[in-house]
Amino acid sequence: DVVLTQTPPTLSATIGQSVSISCRSSQSLLHSNGNTYLNWLLQRPGQPPQLLIYLVSRLESGVPNRFSGSGSGTDFTLKISGVEAEDLGVYYCVQSTHAPYTFGAGTKLELK
Amino acid sequence: EVQLKESGPGLVQPSQTLSLTCTVSGFSLTDYSVHWVRQPPGKGLEWMGVMWSGGSTAYNSALKSRLSISRDTSKSQVFLKMNSLQTEDTAIYYCTRAGNYWGQGVMVTVSS
Repeated sequence: DVVLTQTPPTLSATIGQSVSISCRSSQSLLHSNGNTYLNWLLQRPGQPPQLLIYLVSRLESGVPNRFSGSGSGTDFTLKISGVEAEDLGVYYCVQSTHAPYTFGAGTKLELK
Repeated sequence: EVQLKESGPGLVQPSQTLSLTCTVSGFSLTDYSVHWVRQPPGKGLEWMGVMWSGGSTAYNSALKSRLSISRDTSKSQVFLKMNSLQTEDTAIYYCTRAGNYWGQGVMVTVSS
């Protein structure tokens, strides 16, 4: 199975600070069809996950543009340009290139 | 409006079978896939399996021997059945439309 390694496991930030989360895959997530199926989710406390970014860098409808995704192959990054209070929670990367689909262990974003 | 709602028993005895239903609205099961994902208390996300729009299924190999996913398109429902439950199967169980829409989840506790 593909292993996704997220770092850091915990991130402390002040409001307005820019932060980045890394997601590294144990194998390339480039599909034979040319797409890279790497998404980013945010799970706020007591809520189901919410899709933020799909196909590495495409912003889901309704998601603020302070969120951005980048990367290719095995290395991916989620950046938040100016953290807001509503961004607190656990961020997960998830791949659907290879079955079974797998999630990273999560990065908890908290207020400093 | 796209909605998914999980339903099922909150408590299951060890060694028994779990049966959950995901009732969807706002889209057709013949157009979109529906996945099952679970989350043990305080832990990360685990992909369980999928009902593809065409009617075929795929499962996490770790659960495949115990898991079955089916559907009734006329009722817009997807079903999950998992047998031989153990305490480690205690989790919130979510259904999701291809990761971009999620149900609120249903908490299932395995205990005698």
